Amino acid sequence: SQQGEEDPQALSIQEGENATMNCSYKTSINNLQWYRQNSGRGLVHLILIRSNEREKHSGRLRVTLDTSKKSSSLLITASRAADTASYFCATSNTQKLVFGQGTRLTINP
Amino acid sequence: DTGVSQDPRHKITKRGQNVTFRCDPISEHNRLYWYRQTLGQGPEFLTYFQNEAQLEKSRLLSDRFSAERPKGSFSTLEIQRTEQGDSAMYLCASSLAGQGWNTEAFFGQGTRLTVV
Repeated sequence: SQQGEEDPQALSIQEGENATMNCSYKTSINNLQWYRQNSGRGLVHLILIRSNEREKHSGRLRVTLDTSKKSSSLLITASRAADTASYFCATSNTQKLVFGQGTRLTINP
Repeated sequence: DTGVSQDPRHKITKRGQNVTFRCDPISEHNRLYWYRQTLGQGPEFLTYFQNEAQLEKSRLLSDRFSAERPKGSFSTLEIQRTEQGDSAMYLCASSLAGQGWNTEAFFGQGTRLTVV
């Protein structure tokens, strides 16, 4: 069963705008990771945030983690058409990653 | 190409047939994972290996599914007596396990199975 739940399930914005996706989870975690998946392809790792971290940046990506609320957010700034994809959060508390249902992001030119 | 490789990329089989998929992880990675993904859903965990040992198997996996990693390198996932509900993308991932699980997983392109 999935642990993470992403919100919204689908998001459509104009190129250049910022996109924010949220993830909620249920159990304690060691870390939380975000992955991107282009249609019909494998997943690509974007960023990992440890349970003792609150915020992390990587290029145009910003991830926050609030362990008290069991939630995380992924912000993509200055979106581009190439950012169109599905985005998944994945939590780890033992030896495996448990994925959410994903957010389908569409960037309109 | 030093990434995770899966073979075949696509497989169409008749209901009741057996199928086997192969995954070649990144060479120095000691952990290997299998996931299943259906359209519009996130990947569901099936099983994982640390070297050649299968350490966890999801309750989603029926007795028709078996996975091996005989020498701690490549892995195979076999589905016996396939059913239409087995139609999905089967994803393999590998990682280098250190302390805990604070490492990223690298995914292959997946094997898309269609059972007709």
